[in-house]
Amino acid sequence: RKEVEQDPGPFNVPEGATVAFNCTYSNSASQSFFWYRQDCRKEPKLLMSVYSSGNEDGRFTAQLNRASQYISLLIRDSKLSDSATYLCVVLPDYGNNRLAFGKGNQVVVIP
Amino acid sequence: ETGVTQSPTHLIKTRGQQVTLRCSSQSGHNTVSWYQQALGQGPQFIFQYYREEENGRGNFPPRFSGLQFPNYSSELNVNALELDDSALYLCASSFWTGTWSEAFFGQGTRLTVV
Repeated sequence: RKEVEQDPGPFNVPEGATVAFNCTYSNSASQSFFWYRQDCRKEPKLLMSVYSSGNEDGRFTAQLNRASQYISLLIRDSKLSDSATYLCVVLPDYGNNRLAFGKGNQVVVIP
Repeated sequence: ETGVTQSPTHLIKTRGQQVTLRCSSQSGHNTVSWYQQALGQGPQFIFQYYREEENGRGNFPPRFSGLQFPNYSSELNVNALELDDSALYLCASSFWTGTWSEAFFGQGTRLTVV
């Protein structure tokens, strides 16, 4: 079983709409959770960390459900510039700084 | 800009050849991790170097090897290249002290094996 599972999409979203997606992780002992953004043919960049209490950064809201081992990301009022791949990322343990990535959710915002 | 630079940016090699990819970490960082990202997939962890020692390895064969130098820059070497090695190779540097610290990625080296 893969460490992080994501449904890749694509998610075609009208400009101004809300889009949400989840990922699941297999290791219940995983320590930290993140969403990274990756633009086409570019490197991944940290979008936000994810906490059990839920956290928000502008139009982006992330949530962690440890009991069900899933992580979610919601984007409100989508902009054309939000078009990218959103990677669900888990830090399995603190033994090193190894990150486990999902396949990513490809989001295309349509005018 | 993350301050992490990789070279070369693109490379074409023939099956069976060897390749060396280079990564210059961000100033002050002590850890470099290497990832392989095949088309349509998320990055997969190859290995990590901390203070010149390997500190964790993913599910990659021994023909993938690496080095970290005293200035914390790093190399990834791949021997006996196979067609499936075609991918974007990413390095990420961080200042690791035993808990998570943000990893900053370089722009990657796109390797094509023909």
